[in-house]
Amino acid sequence: DVKVTQSSRYLVKRTGEKVFLECVQDMDHENMFWYRQDPGLGLRLIYFSYDVKMKEKGDIPEGYSVSREKKERFSLILESASTNQTSMYLCASTPGGTGAFSGNTIYFGEGSWLTVV
Amino acid sequence: TQLLEQSPQFLSIQEGENLTVYCNSSSVFSSLQWYRQEPGEGPVLLVTVVTGGEVKKLKRLTFQFGDARKDSSLHITAAQPGDTGLYLCAGPTGGGKLIFGQGTELSVKP
Repeated sequence: DVKVTQSSRYLVKRTGEKVFLECVQDMDHENMFWYRQDPGLGLRLIYFSYDVKMKEKGDIPEGYSVSREKKERFSLILESASTNQTSMYLCASTPGGTGAFSGNTIYFGEGSWLTVV
Repeated sequence: TQLLEQSPQFLSIQEGENLTVYCNSSSVFSSLQWYRQEPGEGPVLLVTVVTGGEVKKLKRLTFQFGDARKDSSLHITAAQPGDTGLYLCAGPTGGGKLIFGQGTELSVKP
């Protein structure tokens, strides 16, 4: 079975803390994504990566950064957490490395619920 | 900017009823996908439609891609409580990104 694993399901952090959300996939996929999901807004893309050490901004990158040092691992970093970053964060991966989405299935992790107080 | 608008946002029905969820855009998409998400889980792909006018069936679920490839619909026949969940449509944009609609929250009561 294909698997995208998000290391933390539930986190509570204080305003101003640096937060790391880790994601690992075991499918040898080139593309990896970080989305946040909020009620009524659907999924919004934060960052994505086509390959190791490559990253591209999504639609809402402000306040976030990412790291992809190994093909299977894609980390989302909140440099200084704020209350408006309280949300559910979803990591996903899909095969293909050219940057063109070809209708492949996108596989999601189970999500990380982050609360910033 | 390409957008996908889903309607309705919420739907609460009794077991056995039929329903249709819509996904609309003013932009043309090369393909559209439908996902279902259960509470506490990530979305799971149901279907991909790639040809204008295409109809795909998955048991009691029927998916249609509009002729102009700007819209799609999901029809569920004789809904069951197990169909409860969040239904999301998604389409590719330039540069390898996938955008999602806001989602339709479906509740099927026994």
